[in-house]
Amino acid sequence: EAQVTQNPRYLITVTGKKLTVTCSQNMNHEYMSWYRQDPGLGLRQIYYSMNVEVTDKGDVPEGYKVSRKEKRNFPLILESPSPNQTSLYFCASSQLDRGVAKNIQYFGAGTRLSVL
Amino acid sequence: TQLLEQSPQFLSIQEGENLTVYCNSSSVFSSLQWYRQEPGEGPVLLVTVVTGGEVKKLKRLTFQFGDARKDSSLHITAAQPGDTGLYLCAGAKNQGGKLIFGQGTELSVKP
Repeated sequence: EAQVTQNPRYLITVTGKKLTVTCSQNMNHEYMSWYRQDPGLGLRQIYYSMNVEVTDKGDVPEGYKVSRKEKRNFPLILESPSPNQTSLYFCASSQLDRGVAKNIQYFGAGTRLSVL
Repeated sequence: TQLLEQSPQFLSIQEGENLTVYCNSSSVFSSLQWYRQEPGEGPVLLVTVVTGGEVKKLKRLTFQFGDARKDSSLHITAAQPGDTGLYLCAGAKNQGGKLIFGQGTELSVKP
């Protein structure tokens, strides 16, 4: 079954304690992306990756890091989480269409993060 | 940051009514997509439109891409309670991997 798997689904942490949210896809997609979802703001792109070892900033990259060492995995790293990073996070993947991401074909189920 | 404005943000209607959700921008997009999201789940892709003026139908849902590729609409005919959810539009440029989402339209269809 085609899927994007995020872990953990729920996480409560404290300010400054480094954390990693893992994301894995089983469809051999080149494109992967991280979004955060906040009430009234829709989905905002944090980082995206067009292929292995290729990552780019989205609209809200501050306070986040990503890596793409393998095609299937795209972890999101918060080196020093702060309360304003409390949010619902989604990982996503898609095939590229002639080198362009035209849509998101699959989203993960989401990770609800609370930073106290 | 290019913005995609969705309207209305909230919509509560009775079963059987028709509705239209709008997605507008001052930017041109190479493609525009619509997603539906239910509580506790990730968004699910409904449709992608890529040609100005394009109309696509998915059962009772009709999607249209504006001629200038700056706006789109989603029309639902004879809404049902199962249509309840958050509807999101998103636009892609003709290069790279940036996808811009609108704020979403929260639809509630009452029996």
